[in-house]
Amino acid sequence: GAVVSQHPSRVICKSGTSVKIECRSLDFQATTMFWYRQFPKQSLMLMATSNEGSKATYEQGVEKDKFLINHASLTLSTLTVTSAHPEDSSFYICSARVPGVLAGVGTQYFGPGTRLLVL
Amino acid sequence: GENVEQHPSTLSVQEGDSAVIKCTYSDSASNYFPWYKQELGKGPQLIIDIRSNVGEKKDQRIAVTLNKTAKHFSLHITETQPEDSAVYFCAASLETSGSRLTFGEGTQLTVNP
Repeated sequence: GAVVSQHPSRVICKSGTSVKIECRSLDFQATTMFWYRQFPKQSLMLMATSNEGSKATYEQGVEKDKFLINHASLTLSTLTVTSAHPEDSSFYICSARVPGVLAGVGTQYFGPGTRLLVL
Repeated sequence: GENVEQHPSTLSVQEGDSAVIKCTYSDSASNYFPWYKQELGKGPQLIIDIRSNVGEKKDQRIAVTLNKTAKHFSLHITETQPEDSAVYFCAASLETSGSRLTFGEGTQLTVNP
């Protein structure tokens, strides 16, 4: 099956610092990856869509200068939370799109998530 | 845009019973409907999905049904086990948005031994 990894699984940082989270597709090439944010007992909120070799598309209300996304290869996308503040503390999850049999429809596999705590 | 509603928000069943979770979607153009299981502190795990060209799909104890006319789809888990306890999310995908998933709010399933 398709495996997506994330690193780190958990990170604690001081307010004002930047944190980078990596998302990798281990056994397939992903032209599109997605970044989500999830608060406790809530659903997944899409932050941005990351396409290999091009700029990410951010959802309304998500600050692109604060959440920097780089999709430099077909197996790696990174999310950098810049100048993190306590309100950025959350569970960040990436997913990678697997090209489906039907044109334009792809299955998404999720990573294990990264727990960010900003002190 | 697409809107997905999921019910119930919590579901408690006895081990061995069946569990049913229902979702409705608003955009008739959506053509892909996955279900994810999320255990505490982990990422969502795809457990089954269905595309709009079929009405039902089954994988061992798990099945999904799709009613395109009514715009709703359901997850059925039979012979539930304590390890089925988790949060389950339905989602719908609108192809023209590049497989962007719209999620339901989730259902906390508890299977009591």
